[in-house]
This record gives sequence, structure tokens and C-alpha cells, in this order.
Amino acid sequence: NAGVTQTPKFRILKIGQSMTLQCTQDMNHNYMYWYRQDPGMGLKLIYYSVGAGITDKGEVPNGYNVSRSTTEDFPLRLELAAPSQTSVYFCASSAAGLAVDNEQFFGPGTRLTVL
Amino acid sequence: GENVEQHPSTLSVQEGDSAVIKCTYSDSASNYFPWYKQELGKRPQLIIDIRSNVGEKKDQRIAVTLNKTAKHFSLHITETQPEDSAVYFCAARDGWGGTASKLTFGTGTRLQVTL
Repeated sequence: NAGVTQTPKFRILKIGQSMTLQCTQDMNHNYMYWYRQDPGMGLKLIYYSVGAGITDKGEVPNGYNVSRSTTEDFPLRLELAAPSQTSVYFCASSAAGLAVDNEQFFGPGTRLTVL
Repeated sequence: GENVEQHPSTLSVQEGDSAVIKCTYSDSASNYFPWYKQELGKRPQLIIDIRSNVGEKKDQRIAVTLNKTAKHFSLHITETQPEDSAVYFCAARDGWGGTASKLTFGTGTRLQVTL
């Protein structure tokens, strides 16, 4: 299993540009998450999904959009990029259900710089 | 929503000494408390976790304790080694595994183990 994969690894955007961060998991997890990690800070939840077709806002959703058309994929869309969106973005997934530990597995991250 | 505070922000110990990192949480309904280790430039990885019905859990040199009454939990690392140097994040989960399993993270502790 590849686990959680993210593309691209690095990206530089100009202010006002748009892009999609890709996230794929091959563990058949229902739950998927997007976090951002600013330098020297913890992880802030942007959006999450409990299954295909279902998404919800996290703590810092402004400026982002997500979709979940399949169990495996959970892309994050940035519209009109701003310098405040410079960060490292992590995608994560976890299994669902009361009987499981719900450990979140993280992807390798995408380092985004907006200039 | 949940609020997780983590202390200290930086911790320097000599090899072989013990390290303790403390977290407090605000939501008495939180029921799962994982600890993640993040090495420089890498993704966060789960090192140990504890559920609200358990007071202490050990795994070799690491242990976690939970005080539900006081709403705090701690990570203990004994016989520290240079490879323990990393940033450690605590987290708290609200909701049960059958519903959206969202984690709120602390701001991290940078642990440096010196020779």
C-alpha cells in the first residue's frame, strides 16, 4: 500500500492564481482531512469528509474548496491565492467505525508559497 | 469547539534524561488523545494514543497519562536518545468514531536531545 499520497510536493503561486492540491489514499478509509501547518505552528483543519459526496468545514475553510467524488480522492482547491495561504498542506485519512482506533495517516505534504 | 494547549513550546534535555510534555483540553466530551511526532520536513506520525477510559498507557520508552477530571494528558519519554529530537504534537478528538472524527491539535513542542 502506498498509503496517503499528495501532489505536488512543492508549488509557487502568484497572488490571484488558482490551483488544486491532489490527495489519494489506497486504504479504503472513509474519513479524509485537509490540514495546513504554518511555520512553527500546529495543524489547523481546513475541510474534512466522512465519505464520498459528503464534506464539511473545519476550523479555517475560507479561501478553499473541496470535493469528494470517490472514496480514494479528496482534492483541495485554492481560488484566488493570497500570501496568507503560504503554508504546508497535509492530507490525512482514517478508518471509520466505533471499533477502530481512528488513527489518522498523513500524506507527505505540499509546500505552497504564494508571492 | 475544542481547545488544546500544549507546554512547553521547546524542551532541551541531555541524552538519557526524561522528557515530559503536557497538554490540556477544554471539551469534557473529548475521548481520544493521540500524540504525533514530526521530524524536520516530514509528515506527522502517530507514536502513542490513549482513550478516555484508560488512565495510562506505555509503549517501551514512551508513556501517556490522562487525568479526565483535570482535563489534561501528558507524554513521558524516558532514556531519551538523539533520534527522539523532533516536534511532538498532542491532539484531542471530539465525537465518537462512528461520526466525524475530528482532531484538534496543540501547537507543538520542539524536543532537542543533546549529547
